[in-house]
Amino acid sequence: NAGVTQTPKFRVLKTGQSMTLLCAQDMNHEYMYWYRQDPGMGLRLIHYSVGEGTTAKGEVPDGYNVSRLKKQNFLLGLESAAPSQTSVYFCASSYSYLGAGDIQYFGAGTRLSVL
Amino acid sequence: AQSVSQHNHHVILSEAASLELGCNYSYGGTVNLFWYVQYPGQHLQLLLKYFSGDPLVKGIKGFEAEFIKSKFSFNLRKPSVQWSDTAEYFCAVMYGAGSYQLTFGKGTKLSVIP
Repeated sequence: NAGVTQTPKFRVLKTGQSMTLLCAQDMNHEYMYWYRQDPGMGLRLIHYSVGEGTTAKGEVPDGYNVSRLKKQNFLLGLESAAPSQTSVYFCASSYSYLGAGDIQYFGAGTRLSVL
Repeated sequence: AQSVSQHNHHVILSEAASLELGCNYSYGGTVNLFWYVQYPGQHLQLLLKYFSGDPLVKGIKGFEAEFIKSKFSFNLRKPSVQWSDTAEYFCAVMYGAGSYQLTFGKGTKLSVIP
């Protein structure tokens, strides 16, 4: 049981390049989330999904797109990377909504640098 | 917008000292409260959570937190810290019943000196 797995772990991009971050969970969770973590800013929600085929914007969605074609996978895309997107990206998942007593489980993170 | 405030950016303690990290939130309605810990180079792990019931919540590794509704606070405590507690600690709040979004504080970095 791997939990939440993120690939890649590290990546360096040049400004304007595109890339996709993959998040996979094997816990049959309905809800998945993408956060970015910046020094002194805590974690901020980029996009989230409440089920297969659904996505929604979080607090800082600009410059990112997401897709949830399969229940276990949640992809985060950067179409044209900018230096402001240099950050550590965390994926999380939860079985249901948090008000039901559930919690979010986090992946190990992807460290992205945009030059 | 709802917010979560963590008062201390960086706390430095000697081993065996007592720890209290502050967390305040901005909403007077239903909230669920969490403390996560991030050890260097690792992902976030849940320390403890409060949903309802006893406002004094005990978590893993000897941590506890007290929910004081009148003060909108959920402070994290540990009577005696160890070097292995060196990490960054994040308070997170779920605002409103039926929500699935967490709002995180900016984090408090704890350094424990042997």
